[in-house]
Amino acid sequence: GDSVTQMEGPVTLSEEAFLTINCTYTATGYPSLFWYVQYPGEGLQLLLKATKADDKGSNKGFEATYRKETTSFHLEKGSVQVSDSAVYFCALHGGGGSNYKLTFGKGTLLTVNP
Amino acid sequence: EAQVTQNPRYLITVTGKKLTVTCSQNMNHEYMSWYRQDPGLGLRQIYYSMNVEVTDKGDVPEGYKVSRKEKRNFPLILESPSPNQTSLYFCASSLSGTSAYEQYFGPGTRLTVT
Repeated sequence: GDSVTQMEGPVTLSEEAFLTINCTYTATGYPSLFWYVQYPGEGLQLLLKATKADDKGSNKGFEATYRKETTSFHLEKGSVQVSDSAVYFCALHGGGGSNYKLTFGKGTLLTVNP
Repeated sequence: EAQVTQNPRYLITVTGKKLTVTCSQNMNHEYMSWYRQDPGLGLRQIYYSMNVEVTDKGDVPEGYKVSRKEKRNFPLILESPSPNQTSLYFCASSLSGTSAYEQYFGPGTRLTVT
């Protein structure tokens, strides 16, 4: 079945540092890929998405590129802020063959210190 | 404001006492889903609904029931809760389950079963 593997945290960075959170996936067909963010005490919010190979999703300074050849969708940000502290989830949507659900990675806790 | 609401946000109950967690969305979405989030496991789908009166099992449906009598509501029912159902529960909705539309998440319900 579908699966998502993302780097385990926690990740602790200083403000203005470069961020990479690795995400790889296993899926049949052509899934859509997502990054969701969960701020403390809140539900998940969509951060960015990509629906086909070589697409780049971007939002709030975060970027991720759908790499089919390496089955990856790594999240990057050039300069993190304290307000970026949250849990980040990589997810894929495999379509009808997977109950139309999002398959999530286990999440990566990011803490940014001033 | 477009949103998914869940009630209650926090619940402590005892083994065997039936409970219902409500979920409502105001976006006229066809697709709704319930997930549970557990440490180290990410989010896992419990049940989903493609439309009114159409529901199906997700990955971890044991011990749960759902119904979809109206488009906006998708309650999660635990008829005889057990301690292993202690978890953080999220309801989500999407315009359609058949493509990679964004899923909107509720704020979560933290359930403790003693």
